[in-house]
Amino acid sequence: DAGITQSPRHKVTETGTPVTLRCHQTENHRYMYWYRQDPGHGLRLIHYSYGVKDTDKGEVSDGYSVSRSKTEDFLLTLESATSSQTSVYFCAISSGTGREQYFGPGTRLTVT
Amino acid sequence: AQSVTQPDIHITVSEGASLELRCNYSYGATPYLFWYVQSPGQGLQLLLKYFSGDTLVQGIKGFEAEFKRSQSSFNLRKPSVHWSDAAEYFCAVVRNTGFQKLVFGTGTRLLVSP
Repeated sequence: DAGITQSPRHKVTETGTPVTLRCHQTENHRYMYWYRQDPGHGLRLIHYSYGVKDTDKGEVSDGYSVSRSKTEDFLLTLESATSSQTSVYFCAISSGTGREQYFGPGTRLTVT
Repeated sequence: AQSVTQPDIHITVSEGASLELRCNYSYGATPYLFWYVQSPGQGLQLLLKYFSGDTLVQGIKGFEAEFKRSQSSFNLRKPSVHWSDAAEYFCAVVRNTGFQKLVFGTGTRLLVSP
């Protein structure tokens, strides 16, 4: 299995609070991605990174920001969490554009 | 824009029976194609991939998939299903030129009956 960890694995937070999710990889892959998974929607891309300090928006980026200061870490921040952001969040990595992606174990976030 | 359709939301198969999960994509050229499996509470695991060449690709856990250009399909098959195959299966595609994002289908949940 690809060396990808996500922290925390579970989090419950209140509406309006900031939340940061961390993705850490040991594969030295250039590309990293954040997805959210919701019933009936499959996986939807939030943000992605194509190198240190190089990031771009995905299809559902509103309310989220990301940062990548090191190759191995990709942070997803919810500046002010809302109940609509209750979801399971997955990080993924890939060695190149168009290549297969490898996924982390996920973080279940509940916003009350 | 490219899209992926998995027409079956749920499928129930008896243990030992054969399985076929359908995937159709919409894209003007041949994309790269993938199947992933997700067990409950787990992340996604890559089952197999198609980039080019032989249109029948073998994957892990005894799965295979066949790319059919004329039908824009990439169906997943297994000759004999085991109870441990019960999971959700996702088809995904990405364009094979430039930087493009992986697009997922909405998934098919496989139930295995004894």
